[in-house]
Formats: sequence, structure tokens, C-alpha cells
Amino acid sequence: GAVVSQHPSRVICKSGTSVKIECRSLDFQATTMFWYRQFPKQSLMLMATSNEGSKATYEQGVEKDKFLINHASLTLSTLTVTSAHPEDSSFYICSASPQGGGYTFGSGTRLTVV
Amino acid sequence: AQSVTQPDIHITVSEGASLELRCNYSYGATPYLFWYVQSPGQGLQLLLKYFSGDTLVQGIKGFEAEFKRSQSSFNLRKPSVHWSDAAEYFCAVGAGGGNKLTFGTGTQLKVEL
Repeated sequence: GAVVSQHPSRVICKSGTSVKIECRSLDFQATTMFWYRQFPKQSLMLMATSNEGSKATYEQGVEKDKFLINHASLTLSTLTVTSAHPEDSSFYICSASPQGGGYTFGSGTRLTVV
Repeated sequence: AQSVTQPDIHITVSEGASLELRCNYSYGATPYLFWYVQSPGQGLQLLLKYFSGDTLVQGIKGFEAEFKRSQSSFNLRKPSVHWSDAAEYFCAVGAGGGNKLTFGTGTQLKVEL
């Protein structure tokens, strides 16, 4: 079946530094990928839609300069949290939609900013 | 705008008992509906999905869900719950393909032995 690989699974960084999270579709091409954020005991909130070869579409209230998304190939999208602060600590999950209408999710990245 | 409501934040059932998790959606067209399960600190696993056709959908791990257009509902059921089913369950709605999914707030399932 369609697999989305997300790395790293956990990362701890110092306040003010940047962190990059990768999301790869392993056995299918993904022209569109989605990035979600999940706070503890809460639901998944869509942050942005990543489109291969073009700019990402951000949801209202999401700072595009803080959460940089790059989708340079049909199998790779990256989310960079720039100048991270403790309030950016969260669980980030990517998703892609292989043919057939469904959605496949990565295993998530637990970001802790200290 | 699309939205999903999961009225039950927490549900506790005894092992072996039946389970029903409620999901109501709001969507302008024929929805693509999904149920996902998430264990702590993990990603999401698809339990089942509905796009069209038979309104009773069978999924993995013995789960099923019924799409009721008149009630805008897509409730998840399992006849006999196992302790390993304890997790967070999310209902989601979307248009499929390259369109975004909207998630409900989730239902935390606890299974008593």
C-alpha cells in the first residue's frame, strides 16, 4: 500500500533555531501534500497544503514566514519551523493522497523547543 | 465550509461490549468520509472510508461504519471491543484526491478489563 515516510520522529531544539521535517511518499507520486499540527489531546489542524513546484497554500492564521514549506519533487515535501519558540512545540503530521481518493499519513514528528 | 462533529470526547466501555462512536458532518456535496485511529505519540491509521456505493462499510480490526445521508452521520461501530482498541478515534470529511481533510475533535476510547 501507499506509504508516507516522515522524519525525524522526534526532535528537540533550542529556542531561536530552525528545524526541518521531511515527508516522503515512498511508492507513489504526490503532487499535493498536507501538513497538520496537533496539540496534546486535541485534533489535527491543517496548517498548509503543499503543491509540487509551486507555493504552498496556508490556512488562515498560519504564519507562512515561520512555517516554510518546500515541495521540490513529486515525492518530497519539507516543513521548516524557523526561529522556533516553545509555543511551536507540537506534533506535526504530513499526509498525501495516492490515487484512489484516500489519504496516507506519516508517523508524525514530535517537536520540543527548549 | 466542511466540518465534523464528534459529540463524545471520552467513552469508556468494558472489554467484550459493543461500541458506537458518533460522527456528524457538514459538507456541501457528496462527502468522502474516513475514520482513523491514533495511539499516543503515533501517526494515524485508516480504519475505513466511504466514497460511494454500499452505505455500510467494513474496515480493519472488525470495525464498520454506516453512512446516513439523511442524518449527516457516519457512526463507527464494533460488536465486541478488545483492550487493544483503546486509543483516540478521529472522523474526517473531505472531497478526496488533492483536497484537504477536516477532522473532528476526536473521541478517546478507554477499555475496562
